Amino acid sequence: RKEVEQDPGPFNVPEGATVAFNCTYSNSASQSFFWYRQDCRKEPKLLMSVYSSGNEDGRFTAQLNRASQYISLLIRDSKLSDSATYLCVVRNAGNNRKLIWGLGTSLAVNP
Amino acid sequence: DAGVIQSPRHEVTEMGQEVTLRCKPISGHDYLFWYRQTMMRGLELLIYFNNNVPIDDSGMPEDRFSAKMPNASFSTLKIQPSEPRDSAVYFCASSLSGVARPQQFFGPGTRLTVL
Repeated sequence: RKEVEQDPGPFNVPEGATVAFNCTYSNSASQSFFWYRQDCRKEPKLLMSVYSSGNEDGRFTAQLNRASQYISLLIRDSKLSDSATYLCVVRNAGNNRKLIWGLGTSLAVNP
Repeated sequence: DAGVIQSPRHEVTEMGQEVTLRCKPISGHDYLFWYRQTMMRGLELLIYFNNNVPIDDSGMPEDRFSAKMPNASFSTLKIQPSEPRDSAVYFCASSLSGVARPQQFFGPGTRLTVL
């Protein structure tokens, strides 16, 4: 079992739709959580960190459930430009910088 | 500001040849990471450095892979000899210490094809 698991999709949604992605992680000692975005044939870029209390950045909302060991990303009023792969990323406890990456969830927003 | 710079952007080589990938991190960043990305395995950390010192190389697949960071502004990842299964996109990333939730900044990647 992979340490970080995501539904690969693809998710195909119309413009304006609300879409949610979930991610589960297996290490209960995981400490920090992130969502990165990767456009086709480009490098990953940080979308947002995920805080314990949940956090919002414009149309994007991230939630963390430590008890169930899952992270979610909600995109409201989706735009064509949101089409990308969304990578769930976890950093385990300890003084290290190693990030554990999910395989990503592919989103296609259609006109 | 310049981001992470990688070269070459594309490399096509034949099995058995030596391949050298290069990376220049963002100035002032003290962490440097080498990743490999494939469809099947996603992003895998190969090795990372802190202040030019290798910290964790547990992801380096085998002895054919080696990485160096001779100074704060340059790193190389070498594959010798290369094999077709090494075909992937290789990313270099850098980040800054002293930050609670360190963001990794990625270069554009090197797309390697080994024939």
